[in-house]
Amino acid sequence: DAGVTQSPTHLIKTRGQQVTLRCSPKSGHDTVSWYQQALGQGPQFIFQYYEEEERQRGNFPDRFSGHQFPNYSSELNVNALLLGDSALYLCASSYGTGLYTFGSGTRLTVV
Amino acid sequence: AQKVTQAQTEISVVEKEDVTLDCVYETRDTTYYLFWYKQPPSGELVFLIRRNSFDEQNEISGRYSWNFQKSTSSFNFTITASQVVDSAVYFCALIAMDSNYQLIWGAGTKLIIKP
Repeated sequence: DAGVTQSPTHLIKTRGQQVTLRCSPKSGHDTVSWYQQALGQGPQFIFQYYEEEERQRGNFPDRFSGHQFPNYSSELNVNALLLGDSALYLCASSYGTGLYTFGSGTRLTVV
Repeated sequence: AQKVTQAQTEISVVEKEDVTLDCVYETRDTTYYLFWYKQPPSGELVFLIRRNSFDEQNEISGRYSWNFQKSTSSFNFTITASQVVDSAVYFCALIAMDSNYQLIWGAGTKLIIKP
């Protein structure tokens, strides 16, 4: 039974570019949450998707957007990248508000 | 508002020593969940334990134990007879009913176990 799968594992982008990160939830999970983890810090909640809609959003600008597909997979899009967007982006899936399972993350470097 | 504080930024001990990681939380909710996660260098967050606010029983799982004390708003984590493989960053986190499904995280404690 596959856990949470994130792609790509590493990514290097230039300031001003756009990026899309992908997440496939654990089998049986219907809810996907995205977190940003800067180096040396705890994860910060970006948003959560359930039934293809954004259910809750953290304190992130509109440059951060997402999508959930009918198969529960999800994408995180970041526009107009800034150097400060460099971080580990973690996806977590759950069934409703149950236990979260985390992926290994996508490490984004903005240069 | 919810908050989780892990005052220990980094702890270094020699293998086989016992080590306790501290976690203090703040919430006005009476219903909440507390978590501990382990993050090895690979980056994946590995779930260790979840405790709800109505269950103050201490938990022991092998070399790991957790001490939940509502009176001091603490949820401390002890590793007995530490091993090099325990080296990782450990995070304490909180979900309260009014945080709308958001995990509120501490800053993490980096644990280094030296052989």
